[in-house]
Amino acid sequence: AQKVTQAQTEISVVEKEDVTLDCVYETRDTTYYLFWYKQPPSGELVFLIRRNSFDEQNEISGRYSWNFQKSTSSFNFTITASQVVDSAVYFCALSGRNTGGFKTIFGAGTRLFVKA
Amino acid sequence: ETGVTQTPRHLVMGMTNKKSLKCEQHLGHNAMYWYKQSAKKPLELMFVYSLEERVENNSVPSRFSPECPNSSHLFLHLHTLQPEDSALYLCASSQEVGGAGTDTQYFGPGTRLTVL
Repeated sequence: AQKVTQAQTEISVVEKEDVTLDCVYETRDTTYYLFWYKQPPSGELVFLIRRNSFDEQNEISGRYSWNFQKSTSSFNFTITASQVVDSAVYFCALSGRNTGGFKTIFGAGTRLFVKA
Repeated sequence: ETGVTQTPRHLVMGMTNKKSLKCEQHLGHNAMYWYKQSAKKPLELMFVYSLEERVENNSVPSRFSPECPNSSHLFLHLHTLQPEDSALYLCASSQEVGGAGTDTQYFGPGTRLTVL
């Protein structure tokens, strides 16, 4: 089965706290891609990162970092020193041959509230 | 303009109306997608076009009719909709469909549709 699970429906933090959004996936593919998108209140999904299955190096981009662990089928996303502008719904997604290639499977999303 | 644009941003229509949603991508991509996002539901893929040919129709009711006249434009024609069709309709594009990581999708801001 191809599946993406984001178990955290909503998270609320106070500004400057660190927060980790969890993503667990299932796939039969050996080659696949994982994504994170941000959806602010305006509605548009903003692409954040794509990671292929052969690259397990963690990535850092400013206050954002991603931890990809194939052993646990997880691709977690950490925001360091959160800010109010980080408030959004965050989606983890999976794409691979067994998802039909063009069928990117999205998780249900995690709504993050960052309070001032 | 850059990226993916959608018009209108908001639409209210009666069940007997006919309307169309428009999407335009300025990224030089070959694939375009329609998604439906309802409250408290995961993103639902509706249609996929690759080089103006429909490659996926994800069991969408016939009251939704897509049209892709060229690789930059995508329409969703709506007729005799139901109140449960009220949702955010998102358009996306990608360089290719299902090809070696070229399927990173870039989204437009969406059209918020309300069916009365």
